[in-house]
Amino acid sequence: DAGVTQSPTHLIKTRGQQVTLRCSPKSGHDTVSWYQQALGQGPQFIFQYYEEEERQRGNFPDRFSGHQFPNYSSELNVNALLLGDSALYLCASSLDFQRGYNEQFFGPGTRLTVL
Amino acid sequence: SQQGEEDPQALSIQEGENATMNCSYKTSINNLQWYRQNSGRGLVHLILIRSNEREKHSGRLRVTLDTSKKSSSLLITASRAADTASYFCATDSWGKFQFGAGTQVVVTP
Repeated sequence: DAGVTQSPTHLIKTRGQQVTLRCSPKSGHDTVSWYQQALGQGPQFIFQYYEEEERQRGNFPDRFSGHQFPNYSSELNVNALLLGDSALYLCASSLDFQRGYNEQFFGPGTRLTVL
Repeated sequence: SQQGEEDPQALSIQEGENATMNCSYKTSINNLQWYRQNSGRGLVHLILIRSNEREKHSGRLRVTLDTSKKSSSLLITASRAADTASYFCATDSWGKFQFGAGTQVVVTP
């Protein structure tokens, strides 16, 4: 059983560009959350998707948007990139928390560098 | 903003010693989880404690939760060099997770 997978592993972009990151959840999981982790910091919650809808959102601007597909995979899009968007982007999957399952399984992350 | 605050920020111990780290948070939660991260890679779930639980054990890990003080502690007993990593607490408020800044633990042989 493949765990959570993310692509690409590394990405280099320039300011003002747009980027799309991809995540495939662990088999059987229906909920995907995205996090941004700056160097030396803890992960910051961006948003969570369940049943193709954004269910929860952290304190991130509208430049950060996402999508969840019927197969539960997800994309994170960031527009008008800023230098401060350079970070490790982590995807986590879980079962719907309303069913009482709360453990999140994390992917290896995508390292985004904005020049 | 980060909900959890871990203390200490860094911890250096020798193999065989115990490592204790603490986490404080601000809002109501339905559970609190601890994760480990090695060298900027993905996080690994260690243990979950629900808001109605006070203590939980898993192998060499012991977690406590005091909801009145909004704090939790993680104890790793008989530490090993392989325990070297960053440890994060994460609060779960009905599906919304918030992580602390982490405790960096170094275990020397």
